[in-house]
Amino acid sequence: DQQVKQNSPSLSVQEGRISILNCDYTNSMFDYFLWYKKYPAEGPTFLISISSIKDKNEDGRFTVFLNKSAKHLSLHIVPSQPGDSAVYFCAATPTAGGTSYGKLTFGQGTILTVHP
Amino acid sequence: GAVVSQHPSWVICKSGTSVKIECRSLDFQATTMFWYRQFPKQSLMLMATSNEGSKATYEQGVEKDKFLINHASLTLSTLTVTSAHPEDSSFYICSARRAAWDSNQPQHFGDGTRLSIL
Repeated sequence: DQQVKQNSPSLSVQEGRISILNCDYTNSMFDYFLWYKKYPAEGPTFLISISSIKDKNEDGRFTVFLNKSAKHLSLHIVPSQPGDSAVYFCAATPTAGGTSYGKLTFGQGTILTVHP
Repeated sequence: GAVVSQHPSWVICKSGTSVKIECRSLDFQATTMFWYRQFPKQSLMLMATSNEGSKATYEQGVEKDKFLINHASLTLSTLTVTSAHPEDSSFYICSARRAAWDSNQPQHFGDGTRLSIL
C-alpha cells in the first residue's frame, strides 16, 4: 500500500522555466511533508518542508504547496537550473505521538532533468 | 558539513559474509536512528527504527535475524547484514533524529552504503 505517491517517474524542463513536481498521499495522519533531492549513491538532501497548518512555504527558488483536502502537495522550482537535475522525493510523517512519530514515508521519486 | 556519517560507503564481499555498517551522528545526540534500503530506481523503504538503549523496531517483512541493529550510544547505530546473499545487494541509508523535534530537519541522512554481494 503506497501511502505516498509520485505518479510522474520523470520530468524534463528547459533551463529558466518552472519545474512542478507532484505528490499525493493517502494517510490522514500525515501532517508534515518534506521534499528531498537525491543524487545516485548519495543520501537524500533536505530541500523544503511544510506543516499541515500552512498551504504554502517558500524558500528561494523553491516553493511547496499543500492542498489538504485533495491530499496533494507540489514542489515548484523557479527558475529551473541544470544543477537542479536529480531525483526528487516527497516524504510525509505524522508529528503526533505514537509509534509512527517522525517516521518518514517516501514517494517513489521523480527524475528531474533541466536542459540548458 | 555532514552531520551524519555512514561507513563504509561501498562494500563488495562474498556470499555468506556478514557486513557491518556504521551510522554516526557527528554533532548532536540521536536518540533515534532509522535504517532504509533503496533498490535501483525505487523509493527509500524504511527497514527499522533504532532506539538508543533498547531493541530496534522492524518494519513488516524485514527479517530481524538477518538485519541486526545495535544502537549502543547516542551517536552510533550499526546495521549488520548477516550471512549476506546476492539478493541483499542494495543501497542502505541511515538517518538520525535529534532528541527534540526539529521541524526543518526531522531526519539527517547519511550518504549511504552500496552493498554488493558476489
